[in-house]
Amino acid sequence: DTGVSQDPRHKITKRGQNVTFRCDPISEHNRLYWYRQTLGQGPEFLTYFQNEAQLEKSRLLSDRFSAERPKGSFSTLEIQRTEQGDSAVYVCASRQTSRGGGNYEQYFGPGTRLTVT
Amino acid sequence: KQEVTQIPAALSVPEGENLVLNCSFTDSAIYNLQWFRQDPGKGLTSLLLIQSSQREQTSGRLNASLDKSSGRSTLYIAASQPGDSATYLCAVPEGSDTGNQFYFGTGTSLTVIP
Repeated sequence: DTGVSQDPRHKITKRGQNVTFRCDPISEHNRLYWYRQTLGQGPEFLTYFQNEAQLEKSRLLSDRFSAERPKGSFSTLEIQRTEQGDSAVYVCASRQTSRGGGNYEQYFGPGTRLTVT
Repeated sequence: KQEVTQIPAALSVPEGENLVLNCSFTDSAIYNLQWFRQDPGKGLTSLLLIQSSQREQTSGRLNASLDKSSGRSTLYIAASQPGDSATYLCAVPEGSDTGNQFYFGTGTSLTVIP
């Protein structure tokens, strides 16, 4: 257990439905990342937050995806009008940074496995 | 854009053998490199973090090396055990700032045969 938790661990939904995932990072960590991992691949970056500010979004994050971190603590990732291609494991990670950017490792959650039928 | 490659994609060895997993990256201006282990259907477990100023990092039977100039890292596993069977991934941050995107390789799937 890394201290990063995600909920739910598994989600099965029908195409066209909306889904929302939650990530609780390690409490003192100011940076929070979302990645997506498909079978046989390493995780691919989606977006990250510095406290409550979303600082970067990958081109993988289409308009149907939205992420929030309202109080700089937990984060949610919502997918609207899900498609079969959205089936993947959505992984959250967190780390702490110093003023100079830091040099600390990332801690990963267990992931949420999404299956779109 | 940073590109990370891991060779081999799969490896099968008898128990007790020493083995080396390879990771290469295209942009050598990195702050650090992390090696992870992933068991089937499970999340990522961090194994070792090597800072850019380091050449090696050791944890138990694991030893990771980093050669920034050539864009390579290796993970050495000594006296392999069946419990070492998993997928091993390396990851590097974009550019020289660890705050941004992490790029992962596709992993090496290791099977240790009893």
